[in-house]
Amino acid sequence: QSALTQPASVSGSRGQSITISCTGTTSDIGGYNYVSWYQQHPGKAPKLMIYQVTNRPSGVSNRFSGSKSGSTASLTISGLQAEDEADYYCSSYTGINSNILLFGGGTKLTVL
Amino acid sequence: EVQLEQSGAEVKRPGESLKISCKSSGYTFTNYWIAWVRQMPGKGLEYMGIIYPGDSDTRYSPSFQGQVTISADKSISTAYLQWSSLKASDTAMYYCARHFWGRGEYYFDYWGRGTLVTVSS
Repeated sequence: QSALTQPASVSGSRGQSITISCTGTTSDIGGYNYVSWYQQHPGKAPKLMIYQVTNRPSGVSNRFSGSKSGSTASLTISGLQAEDEADYYCSSYTGINSNILLFGGGTKLTVL
Repeated sequence: EVQLEQSGAEVKRPGESLKISCKSSGYTFTNYWIAWVRQMPGKGLEYMGIIYPGDSDTRYSPSFQGQVTISADKSISTAYLQWSSLKASDTAMYYCARHFWGRGEYYFDYWGRGTLVTVSS
C-alpha cells in the first residue's frame, strides 16, 4: 500500500479533460507545497510533468496543470491526446521522515 | 544537455553481489543529489535513497536501509547502487534520477533509462 493514494485508472476521450487525484495527509501534501507529478509510458523512464504543485518544466505542454486543496493534489490534463495515455505518479515531501519522498501508487490513463 | 547513463541489464543468481552505475553528464555532478528508485515488475515507483556527490551525504528510505549501498565517485561523475547478497525479490527496474532535495525543492528532473536486474536461480 502506497503512502499517497491515487485512483488505479482513469479514462477520457480525445479532446476532453481529466483529473487525477493524489491524497495524502497533513504531514505531506497538506503540509507542504512540494508535490510533483511524473508521466511514464510503457517501457520508458518517468518524466517530470509538474513540480511544486503547479509549476511546469520547460517543454511540458500547457495542457498539463497541477493544483492542491487540503491534503489532495490533482493533475489535470486538458485536450486529451492519444500520446497522453500513460501511467502517472504523484510524489510529495513528508515531514515525518526527512530522508524520503513519498510516491503514489500510480494511475493508468486510458485515452478512448 | 543533462544525461544520466545507466549500466546495462544484469542477470544474477540469489546470493550474488552486484553494483550498477549511473554516469551523469551535462551538469556539475557535485551540485545535485542523485536518487535511486525501484520499480518492480508491473508495480509503482519506490524511493530507495539518495546521495549528494559533493560530500557523499547519503540517506536511505527505511524500507531499503541495510539492504543496499549507495555511493558515488565524483572523479568520474558516477553514482552506484550495490547489493552484497541478491534475493529473487530484488528483481526490478532500477532508475537513477537527478534530484532536487532541500532549499524548498523536492523533485526529480532528469531520469536515467533504467537498469533491469533479474535475480533467478
